[in-house]
Amino acid sequence: KAGVTQTPRYLIKTRGQQVTLSCSPISGHRSVSWYQQTPGQGLQFLFEYFSETQRNKGNFPGRFSGRQFSNSRSEMNVSTLELGDSALYLCASSSADRGHNEQFFGPGTRLTVL
Amino acid sequence: AQKITQTQPGMFVQEKEAVTLDCTYDTSDPSYGLFWYKQPSSGEMIFLIYQGSYDQQNATEGRYSLNFQKARKSANLVISASQLGDSAMYFCAMREGPNNFNKFYFGSGTKLNVKP
Repeated sequence: KAGVTQTPRYLIKTRGQQVTLSCSPISGHRSVSWYQQTPGQGLQFLFEYFSETQRNKGNFPGRFSGRQFSNSRSEMNVSTLELGDSALYLCASSSADRGHNEQFFGPGTRLTVL
Repeated sequence: AQKITQTQPGMFVQEKEAVTLDCTYDTSDPSYGLFWYKQPSSGEMIFLIYQGSYDQQNATEGRYSLNFQKARKSANLVISASQLGDSAMYFCAMREGPNNFNKFYFGSGTKLNVKP
């Protein structure tokens, strides 16, 4: 099976712009989660989508949003970019509705905001 | 309060020796799962091992084992016979309760350096 893929891998934007990141989960996985990783804050949970519905949400401002399509692919959007949004954005997918639910991570998208 | 605490920012270990990476967690939910992930410099998170809150025995996966002490709320990762390729960041994570499904809390990580 192909792993989790994320596009693009690297992105440079300027303050005030918006950005859309894409994540394709492992085939058959219906749950997709997004995380932001920064040196200062570590790994922080953004949100989780399951069957096109947001099921869990972390403590991020409304500028961060996401969606999931019927094929389980997910996109994350950040509007009005700030310098502090520079980070590695990781997407993870998992298969089961419940259970131990290990998450498989993609390689990440490294976003730099100038 | 922090959900997951990793108190060792960095660790050194000699190749072929065993090393223990510490992790403590905080939850009042009786149902939870504990995970360890490895993150090499390439950035990708690699799942290593899982321990469920109701599991009676400590989890093992090859050279990885999890020292689960429920009363102390600790879930330390033990890597036996360290290899140079084990040099990476290691993250402890917790998934809390059945209703939270895939909301994971991660610790700040431990950077492990394996010396030849």
